[in-house]
Amino acid sequence: AQTVTQSQPEMSVQEAETVTLSCTYDTSESDYYLFWYKQPPSRQMILVIRQEAYKQQNATENRFSVNFQKAAKSFSLKISDSQLGDAAMYFCAYRAPGGSEKLVFGKGTKLTVNP
Amino acid sequence: DARVTQTPRHKVTEMGQEVTMRCQPILGHNTVFWYRQTMMQGLELLAYFRNRAPLDDSGMPKDRFSAEMPDATLATLKIQPSEPRDSAVYFCASGEGLAGTDTQYFGPGTRLTVL
Repeated sequence: AQTVTQSQPEMSVQEAETVTLSCTYDTSESDYYLFWYKQPPSRQMILVIRQEAYKQQNATENRFSVNFQKAAKSFSLKISDSQLGDAAMYFCAYRAPGGSEKLVFGKGTKLTVNP
Repeated sequence: DARVTQTPRHKVTEMGQEVTMRCQPILGHNTVFWYRQTMMQGLELLAYFRNRAPLDDSGMPKDRFSAEMPDATLATLKIQPSEPRDSAVYFCASGEGLAGTDTQYFGPGTRLTVL
């Protein structure tokens, strides 16, 4: 079974600085999809970024980028120029190939942004 | 701006009572997922549907939980009888069911408290 591990329960960063959240996963599949979701205090799950495993290029969305290391099964999220609004729980998630597969989530990392 | 809606947003009930949670997926999405979030277990899949047919409900306690899609615009999750250990946030998510880059979009969740 696929598993997703986020080894950092909590992280903090100064406003305008850069922070990296770690995620590792275990799978025997060669093609799959990885996601980072943000959950602010409102509890709404918001998609931050996604990565297709067959793409070697790391995904980027504005201040958010990933470092995808397929061989190491690592998928870290880098947040540049951190803002107070980035404070939230961040969940890494894995999805197997196919059109209707469930997401397998890590336990989450709580990010605090200090002014 | 299409989004997944869930009702109620909050529910407090007493042990033994029936609880029904509703979800309206994004129009045109043919896959619907129910997730439960607790501090101890994190986010875990309860059940999911494609084209209104259940594909996997192995995460649901069968004796008390049931999930249905009466039509393409409504998914329901019912707990009968409810127990204090069911207290959690229940999320519904929907997707287009496309092979490959399908993304799941989450509703705001229903916070359930069973006394």
